[in-house]
Amino acid sequence: AQSVTQPDIHITVSEGASLELRCNYSYGATPYLFWYVQSPGQGLQLLLKYFSGDTLVQGIKGFEAEFKRSQSSFNLRKPSVHWSDAAEYFCAVGLYNQGGKLIFGQGTELSVKP
Amino acid sequence: EPEVTQTPSHQVTQMGQEVILRCVPISNHLYFYWYRQILGQKVEFLVSFYNNEISEKSEIFDDQFSVERPDGSNFTLKIRSTKLEDSAMYFCASRGEVNNQPQHFGDGTRLSIL
Repeated sequence: AQSVTQPDIHITVSEGASLELRCNYSYGATPYLFWYVQSPGQGLQLLLKYFSGDTLVQGIKGFEAEFKRSQSSFNLRKPSVHWSDAAEYFCAVGLYNQGGKLIFGQGTELSVKP
Repeated sequence: EPEVTQTPSHQVTQMGQEVILRCVPISNHLYFYWYRQILGQKVEFLVSFYNNEISEKSEIFDDQFSVERPDGSNFTLKIRSTKLEDSAMYFCASRGEVNNQPQHFGDGTRLSIL
């Protein structure tokens, strides 16, 4: 069955430090992969997506993610975190042979220390 | 940038009552989805809708749930007889026809069942 795992429930980083949020997926075919961010009381905003081609994808707000097929991973990175990045981050795999539904990971809550 | 809009932002309902959650997807999108997020848990797929019919539904989407696109702009989720465990944030999403287009989410409706 398809699944997405985000091993870290909560991460705290200092402002200006680098960030890496981990995501592993289980899916039999080539996945469509996404990272979404959710601020408190808000909806899900798309940060970036991977469909094919270059395995390093750039997104909004200075985020990037790297698709590694051999590791079934799609980790999200940012070189320098800002206080406004504090939010919940969700990794998702898109099943486009099944009507396009998204399977989400559990989410990683990011706190930023001043 | 076009948005998915959801109303109301918060709905409080007595157990056993019917509730209708409303969504206006992005106007040229053709695929529509409902997801829910129980407090503290991951976002879960409920149903996908395309060409005026359900294309897929999850185990959660039982006979108490229904979806409808009553006109050219709205997409509704109805829960016929609400239960306490239906309390959650419900997200509507839409995407275009091409498979490599991501889903765009609304800000959600927080449903509280008393």
